[in-house]
Amino acid sequence: DAKTTQPPSMDCAEGRAANLPCNHSTISGNEYVYWYRQIHSQGPQYIIHGLKNNETNEMASLIITEDRKSSTLILPHATLRDTAVYYCIVRGDYNNNDMRFGAGTRLTVKP
Amino acid sequence: GAVVSQHPSRVICKSGTSVKIECRSLDFQATTMFWYRQFPKQSLMLMATSNEGSKATYEQGVEKDKFLINHASLTLSTLTVTSAHPEDSSFYICSARVAGGGSYNEQFFGPGTRLTVL
Repeated sequence: DAKTTQPPSMDCAEGRAANLPCNHSTISGNEYVYWYRQIHSQGPQYIIHGLKNNETNEMASLIITEDRKSSTLILPHATLRDTAVYYCIVRGDYNNNDMRFGAGTRLTVKP
Repeated sequence: GAVVSQHPSRVICKSGTSVKIECRSLDFQATTMFWYRQFPKQSLMLMATSNEGSKATYEQGVEKDKFLINHASLTLSTLTVTSAHPEDSSFYICSARVAGGGSYNEQFFGPGTRLTVL
């Protein structure tokens, strides 16, 4: 069973911020939130991950609510190349090997 | 970042033949590798988890005799689809977890192999 819930699709205008939500209400204390994306016919690409603090890297920002039951991936200035399926995944610590994908959100960036 | 390669990237075979797909971690050692399958317009489905030097653990519903996995070294895992049939046509993706342990272990994904069985 998927541990996360994401909207099936979203649109975003090029140059604007893309905010992708994810619900993970059953997350446990030792589980991280990961975000990957998959561009058509390619392998998943790692974006960012976090435990409870907000995180930022060169690709995106991850905002995790205080109760950790939901998070938002932010692409600050979306480009056409950001069109992809974005997966939010909850995974436990190193003793838990599972990285299981839900349905994800298909983000379409429009000119 | 760490790189995972797959070979071949695309393969077409006749029904009844066997196909081997290689997954390599190029610049790191991976104690654990994962194999996923993805049908068109669907998400990735975990097929099996393999640890170096031991037998793979298959997910429920995945036939271990049909999908043979060998993880003989810290940088190579192979998936062999035996007696392939058209319904095995899919996008197969491997992933490797960095060895070393700790509270966080990143997984890196290969580019995928598109299998078409005629």
